[in-house]
Amino acid sequence: DTGVSQDPRHKITKRGQNVTFRCDPISEHNRLYWYRQTLGQGPEFLTYFQNEAQLEKSRLLSDRFSAERPKGSFSTLEIQRTEQGDSAMYLCASSSPGLAVHNEQFFGPGTRLTVL
Amino acid sequence: DQQVKQNSPSLSVQEGRISILNCDYTNSMFDYFLWYKKYPAEGPTFLISISSIKDKNEDGRFTVFLNKSAKHLSLHIVPSQPGDSAVYFCAASVRSQGNLIFGKGTKLSVKP
Repeated sequence: DTGVSQDPRHKITKRGQNVTFRCDPISEHNRLYWYRQTLGQGPEFLTYFQNEAQLEKSRLLSDRFSAERPKGSFSTLEIQRTEQGDSAMYLCASSSPGLAVHNEQFFGPGTRLTVL
Repeated sequence: DQQVKQNSPSLSVQEGRISILNCDYTNSMFDYFLWYKKYPAEGPTFLISISSIKDKNEDGRFTVFLNKSAKHLSLHIVPSQPGDSAVYFCAASVRSQGNLIFGKGTKLSVKP
């Protein structure tokens, strides 16, 4: 399967703990995005990378959140000192504007985070 | 302030009939629009898109219409099939930026 993969699929943690999620994009895609989705809402943009450069961050991305894409391939999203309000589905997507006519983004299955 | 609005949380259609999902937007800078389908416990799946220079794009059973003056787009599915039952998200972007802005989604149920 050459789609976007995310690990883990589910994470349950206690408030105050740190968590880290991983995303592996489609191999030829140079753009990688993180979104967050809560119940009854559409995905909300968090941040995106072009290769290893983080080009844009949403105001939703508080200082407890940090994302990296060290070699321009996989990415990690870390949440420090988790709060119950962080409970959500965290979605990763990738795209390749150089190959596609338009910026279609392809999503992974998501990581569901539950903060107790 | 929601820039992309899907005002119908749910829609129920009989198999074989047409499904019409609607989406309104407020930001006139949006120049590219997409529809995604989402099944439970899966990520959104890209369905079809349209550039602001067009007013229609068709792909098999799926057609997206764009009315820029009304800031409105719609997705038509003909004929509807039970496997089309899912949540459909409308999304928009400004081509020079990276992020997509999503609506809240419409849950489509196609009954046999």
